[in-house]
Amino acid sequence: DIQMTQSPSSLSASVGDRVTITCRASQGVKYDLAWYQQTPGKAPKRLIFAASSLQSGVPSRFSGSGSGTEFTFTISNLQPEDSATYYCLQHNDYPLTFGGGTKVEIK
Amino acid sequence: EVQVVQSGVEVKKPGDSLKISCRGSGYSFPSYWIAWVRQMPGKGLEWMGSIYPGDSNTRYNPSFQGQVTISADKSISTAYLQWSSLKASDTATYYCARSFAMDVWGQGTAVTVSS
Repeated sequence: DIQMTQSPSSLSASVGDRVTITCRASQGVKYDLAWYQQTPGKAPKRLIFAASSLQSGVPSRFSGSGSGTEFTFTISNLQPEDSATYYCLQHNDYPLTFGGGTKVEIK
Repeated sequence: EVQVVQSGVEVKKPGDSLKISCRGSGYSFPSYWIAWVRQMPGKGLEWMGSIYPGDSNTRYNPSFQGQVTISADKSISTAYLQWSSLKASDTATYYCARSFAMDVWGQGTAVTVSS
């Protein structure tokens, strides 16, 4: 199985800050990586696909980069509504695997 | 509008059987994989398995193989996740999502198993 190690598991930042989350894959997944946002009681929402492509309708302050085994998700200019848990997903090989999640709190 | 809509909340007893559903609309249902994802209370996301409704080709996470059955009826654009004998540890919210890259998600089905 491909293990997705996501870090940090939680962070606290202020409105306007730049926030970075990392996912490391235990083996290469090419560009087959997506990022999701989940708020309490809601379904996950895809923000980034193919490692760096922004989902239609998602604000441009969200971005992704990387390939192979190292991936980064960035929120620039953090907003109050960005308080959520974020997950990465690799869909390159079975079983599909998610990162453990990063809870983002607004100070 | 592309949507996947799931069946409602379920409250069951240990040993009960259960089948929950996920209906796709606004796209060619047979042509896209449907994934099932479990989220236990306060925990992260786990891929359970996926089905291609066009030919019912199914892939399971080994962690869930034999514990659940995934099926689909393309004539009514619906995928299913079923249990033959529920356990308390099956208490969770179950999501379906379109495609391996999980671009569109259902609203989730909360399943509670308690005596």
